[in-house]
Amino acid sequence: EAAVTQSPRNKVAVTGGKVTLSCNQTNNHNNMYWYRQDTGHGLRLIHYSYGAGSTEKGDIPDGYKASRPSQENFSLILELATPSQTSVYFCASGGQGGSAETLYFGSGTRLTVL
Amino acid sequence: SQWGEENLQALSIQEGEDVTMNCSYKTYTTVVQWYRQKSGKGPAQLILIRSNEREKRSGRLRATLDTSSQSSSLSITGTLATDTAVYFCAPDRGSALGRLHFGAGTQLIVIP
Repeated sequence: EAAVTQSPRNKVAVTGGKVTLSCNQTNNHNNMYWYRQDTGHGLRLIHYSYGAGSTEKGDIPDGYKASRPSQENFSLILELATPSQTSVYFCASGGQGGSAETLYFGSGTRLTVL
Repeated sequence: SQWGEENLQALSIQEGEDVTMNCSYKTYTTVVQWYRQKSGKGPAQLILIRSNEREKRSGRLRATLDTSSQSSSLSITGTLATDTAVYFCAPDRGSALGRLHFGAGTQLIVIP
């Protein structure tokens, strides 16, 4: 069973503060993704990566940075957090590549920005 | 969204009934995946269907894909209370766009 672990599970941050969300996968998958989930919007892609050292912008990258220092780890960074970034964030990994790639999701991080 | 939209946002049915959820999208794709998300968890893949398959079954699940109408459906027969979840269709849009696009999802509530 593919394993994707996110930390922390819950986070409260202050406006203007820096927030780092972490994701670790033990599947040796090349591809990793960060999504946010808000009511009425489903899952929206923020950043993704095809391997260590690479990051790509997704559909809603503004206000977010990503870092992929190794095959296993993928972080999402909010340099200056805003209340509009209050959301549930999901990390996923996928290793097959191509159109048949299955994504394996973590359990999410609930972020509240006050 | 130009990529994927579930046609119905919420469904409430009795346990044992059959249900079909629909998804349509404006941009051509050859692969659609369906995911299920239970409360407090991340989504998990249920089924993947390609354009040359038209229909695919897995246990109580049946998915269809019609590329001419750019639509897909997921049917569940003999629903159980444990099928209560949000269901997403996710059309593939190519590696340059981060692959899968998820719509808003359909909330299915199965009443025991």
